[in-house]
Amino acid sequence: DAKTTQPNSMESNEEEPVHLPCNHSTISGTDYIHWYRQLPSQGPEYVIHGLTSNVNNRMASLAIAEDRKSSTLILHRATLRDAAVYYCISKAAGNKLTFGGGTRVLVKP
Amino acid sequence: DTEVTQTPKHLVMGMTNKKSLKCEQHMGHRAMYWYKQKAKKPPELMFVYSYEKLSINESVPSRFSPECPNSSLLNLHLHALQPEDSALYLCASSQTLAARTDTQYFGPGTRLTVL
Repeated sequence: DAKTTQPNSMESNEEEPVHLPCNHSTISGTDYIHWYRQLPSQGPEYVIHGLTSNVNNRMASLAIAEDRKSSTLILHRATLRDAAVYYCISKAAGNKLTFGGGTRVLVKP
Repeated sequence: DTEVTQTPKHLVMGMTNKKSLKCEQHMGHRAMYWYKQKAKKPPELMFVYSYEKLSINESVPSRFSPECPNSSLLNLHLHALQPEDSALYLCASSQTLAARTDTQYFGPGTRLTVL
């Protein structure tokens, strides 16, 4: 799996959007980009995934660069419940998730 | 039901004890996983089972012994652990092992302390 690079931490105010960047410059053409998050004292939970096109679901949006070397997870209106560590993962065949360091998101009221 | 359950929630054991961690899912998933997570670190894959057969062992020491008795159940048997094995042990499942698009569902974990 390609290595991903994320900022260690980000802060946001409640009800404002949060843009979480991820670099995956060595990604292969068939690897999917997955995002998981881990709330305090819980196991990771799936957020979203995509290949080339931008993706939306009820939790977030995923914007993928045209060259696929980077992507951005967008939380449209952060709430206190969105405070978590967000992991960006480049996933190849075999469904093996290799977690990188992740971005710790702090949401201020 | 999209839940993965793990028991016990907490476990304290001595270095000479034998204990087991249990994981269960009823989503019909055929791939199940064990991860280890140290404090402030990301989860690290330990084992993967696919259709009840061990598919991946990430060079885990033999004091950790996984078992998949059926498609819904995954155990992790622990014996002669070291204090550095203290961590959060996470179980996960997914529809299959192969697909790039399959998502993994994680349990809440078992917090293990080895004295």
